[in-house]
Amino acid sequence: QQQVKQSPQSLIVQKGGISIINCAYENTAFDYFPWYQQFPGKGPALLIAIRPDVSEKKEGRFTISFNKSAKQFSLHIMDSQPGDSATYFCALGYNKLIFGAGTRLAVHP
Amino acid sequence: DTAVSQTPKYLVTQMGNDKSIKCEQNLGHDTMYWYKQDSKKFLKIMFSYNNKELIINETVPNRFSPKSPDKAHLNLHINSLELGDSAVYFCASSQGQINQPQHFGDGTRLSIL
Repeated sequence: QQQVKQSPQSLIVQKGGISIINCAYENTAFDYFPWYQQFPGKGPALLIAIRPDVSEKKEGRFTISFNKSAKQFSLHIMDSQPGDSATYFCALGYNKLIFGAGTRLAVHP
Repeated sequence: DTAVSQTPKYLVTQMGNDKSIKCEQNLGHDTMYWYKQDSKKFLKIMFSYNNKELIINETVPNRFSPKSPDKAHLNLHINSLELGDSAVYFCASSQGQINQPQHFGDGTRLSIL
């Protein structure tokens, strides 16, 4: 049973546009919500993370929006660049990470 | 300086063989993990060790046996390899078990012929 549902599966964005990836979950026991970025041939790398006591966190061009009542959180990439082309994973955290299925982002020049 | 390093990077072997993957971290972390990423890129935790003690053991066949000789190392031994074991295996580490950033290695791509 998938504990976190991530959408879309793939995303194509023009350079300079906004990329938005969404995740929804059911179990409210989790209290740590990270996003990981993975390039081909590399391991996932932590991009940004949020805890449920805040509704938004911004780091540079990357923003997490968190809606606790709706049990949803999303990643926004502003001014998307070709170098952002990668697979993005949301995750639910406690003593382990439970990953979403991933979103393959392609940013076209 | 590689923070989490895995060897080998690629492993190609026959069905039925036994193989090991090694992982070392130089971050001073006390918790280490093994994840499996399948062909659809789905990432799932297999095991977690904290200070050399097994703390998470997901539903993984007994053919998979992790071993942590010290806090900086976590190895994975796989017996009687099957076709379905083909995947990329990632080692990761964190400082603490709860809600801490995890640092991943670059993976070991295991291919079973």
